[in-house]
Amino acid sequence: DAKTTQPTSMDCAEGRAANLPCNHSTISGNEYVYWYRQIHSQGPQYIIHGLKNNETNEMASLIITEDRKSSTLILPHATLRDTAVYYCIVRVASNNAGNMLTFGGGTRLMVKP
Amino acid sequence: DTGVSQNPRHKITKRGQNVTFRCDPISEHNRLYWYRQTLGQGPEFLTYFQNEAQLEKSRLLSDRFSAERPKGSFSTLEIQRTEQGDSAMYLCASRPLSTHEAFFGQGTRLTVV
Repeated sequence: DAKTTQPTSMDCAEGRAANLPCNHSTISGNEYVYWYRQIHSQGPQYIIHGLKNNETNEMASLIITEDRKSSTLILPHATLRDTAVYYCIVRVASNNAGNMLTFGGGTRLMVKP
Repeated sequence: DTGVSQNPRHKITKRGQNVTFRCDPISEHNRLYWYRQTLGQGPEFLTYFQNEAQLEKSRLLSDRFSAERPKGSFSTLEIQRTEQGDSAMYLCASRPLSTHEAFFGQGTRLTVV
């Protein structure tokens, strides 16, 4: 699985957009980008994933650069409850493999009032 | 929505004792994963089941660790002769065969004293 690089921590004002970057310069053509977050004392929670195209769901948007070497997770209107560690993970998705997740250190996002 | 259930939520044990944790995945999720997370780090993969078959094990899973998933439903993770270094959060996740999203439980926090 390709390695990812994320900033250790970021701050965001409540109500503003939170933009969390992730570098994955060694990503392969069949590897997806996944984002999970972990709120304190809870298990990780899936947010979104994408392959090439930008994706949006009720939680966030995922912007993947054209060369796929980096991506940005966008929380459009951050709330205090979005304070968490955000993990960017890159891996192949296959029905024939375990598809386990390799977590790095993540970005600790602090949303401030 | 019952989600992934893990029991107990907390366990304190003396060094050298055996402990067993239980994970009840979401019904009909045939894939089940165990992860371990130490303070300040991202979760690390331990082992993976597809139905009742244990298909992958990490090098982190020493001989003192054993996991089972009888009948492809709930799973147990046993640690024999616990050591202080086993103190961590043990997370269970499940997902159906053909989806990208993994669902995590709240974890079992083990403290070895």
